[in-house]
Amino acid sequence: ETGVTQTPRHLVMGMTNKKSLKCEQHLGHNAMYWYKQSAKKPLELMFVYNFKEQTENNSVPSRFSPECPNSSHLFLHLHTLQPEDSALYLCASSQAQYGSGNKNIQYFGAGTRLSVL
Amino acid sequence: GQNIDQPTEMTATEGAIVQINCTYQTSGFNGLFWYQQHAGEAPTFLSYNVLDGLEEKGRFSSFLSRSKGYSYLLLKELQMKDSASYLCAVRDMNRDDKIIFGKGTRLHILP
Repeated sequence: ETGVTQTPRHLVMGMTNKKSLKCEQHLGHNAMYWYKQSAKKPLELMFVYNFKEQTENNSVPSRFSPECPNSSHLFLHLHTLQPEDSALYLCASSQAQYGSGNKNIQYFGAGTRLSVL
Repeated sequence: GQNIDQPTEMTATEGAIVQINCTYQTSGFNGLFWYQQHAGEAPTFLSYNVLDGLEEKGRFSSFLSRSKGYSYLLLKELQMKDSASYLCAVRDMNRDDKIIFGKGTRLHILP
């Protein structure tokens, strides 16, 4: 148990569906992240929220829409996805403090395995 | 730009020692992380290096040489449960302290 919970663990959806992924962290952190993990590719950072404000959008297609209502919850809204979007979607959180000496270690959830048909 | 290289797969024997190497190129190095990820589970933090040298934590140690852009993760007294992917990641201060991950090394432990 890492303190970061993701639901659902598995999701199968058609290209016309709309679904949402949920992430909740119980660590009191101030930053949350969405990553995409595809086979044989490195973890790809999608979105970053610091203090509920989106600070990073890594050229992600608009069919992925993040939402961060408070510092403990993060959502990823999905609509009209493509088969190539099938992947493991990981959420992470950290206590972000900038400057030297801060490790800013990210703690990950177990992920949502998404299959787009 | 950034580039992180680590072997795709390695195999070792239970009870032995294995070293997983990672090389990186980054414009604003600000720390290197190692994570362990079992299949279907969350990546879990193993170690952090920001200064040159060796950091030891039980059976696991991590080494960093900033001048060479090189790190390794050393696993001693291997156990079957150490079969997992090991992710090397580098933080770049010139990119808002973003953490960039390598593709990971899948380690297989044989009895």
